[in-house]
Amino acid sequence: GEDVEQSLFLSVREGDSSVINCTYTDSSSTYLYWYKQEPGAGLQLLTYIFSNMDMKQDQRLTVLLNKKDKHLSLRIADTQTGDSAIYFCAESIDTDKLIFGTGTRLQVFP
Amino acid sequence: DTGVSQNPRHKITKRGQNVTFRCDPISEHNRLYWYRQTLGQGPEFLTYFQNEAQLEKSRLLSDRFSAERPKGSFSTLEIQRTEQGDSAMYLCASSSDRQVQYFGPGTRLTVT
Repeated sequence: GEDVEQSLFLSVREGDSSVINCTYTDSSSTYLYWYKQEPGAGLQLLTYIFSNMDMKQDQRLTVLLNKKDKHLSLRIADTQTGDSAIYFCAESIDTDKLIFGTGTRLQVFP
Repeated sequence: DTGVSQNPRHKITKRGQNVTFRCDPISEHNRLYWYRQTLGQGPEFLTYFQNEAQLEKSRLLSDRFSAERPKGSFSTLEIQRTEQGDSAMYLCASSSDRQVQYFGPGTRLTVT
């Protein structure tokens, strides 16, 4: 079945690293995504990873994929107050639709 | 490239009224998607077009909902006889391939 789970809340100090975790159930996922949503706004694509990759790095963002455990993580280095938002993990399988998690609210405090 | 645009951004309507939302995708993106997001949840897939053809519809899309993309460019989503449970953010996304979907700002619907 299709199910994506995330923890609801994460609080970090400015300048520290943030790690947001996600688990998914469908082993046939082809791509996995991280989107960011600020209050009242649409979703901004942050990064994505193909399922045959283990890691992808893009500036302050590092994505790790453990296919065996069906676990995806997003690490944000040097977290800033502007990073405060809701972060959604999503998977695509064979169809074009995305399956989203419930989102992790990241709060960055000074 | 101006991104995906959606209109209106906010809509307040009374129960039983019909509403229509519009989505303009990124130019030359042949795939267009509609999602619904309720408070505290992630977006849920509603339907998807490739050019003007509607290729997939979710079970969430009851017979009160209809979506069109007549010329393969912009799309409309109509909800007939709105119910309070229809209150949500309606998100549109577009894509030129199956890898990446770019989202618009959404239309927030409030049914009173």
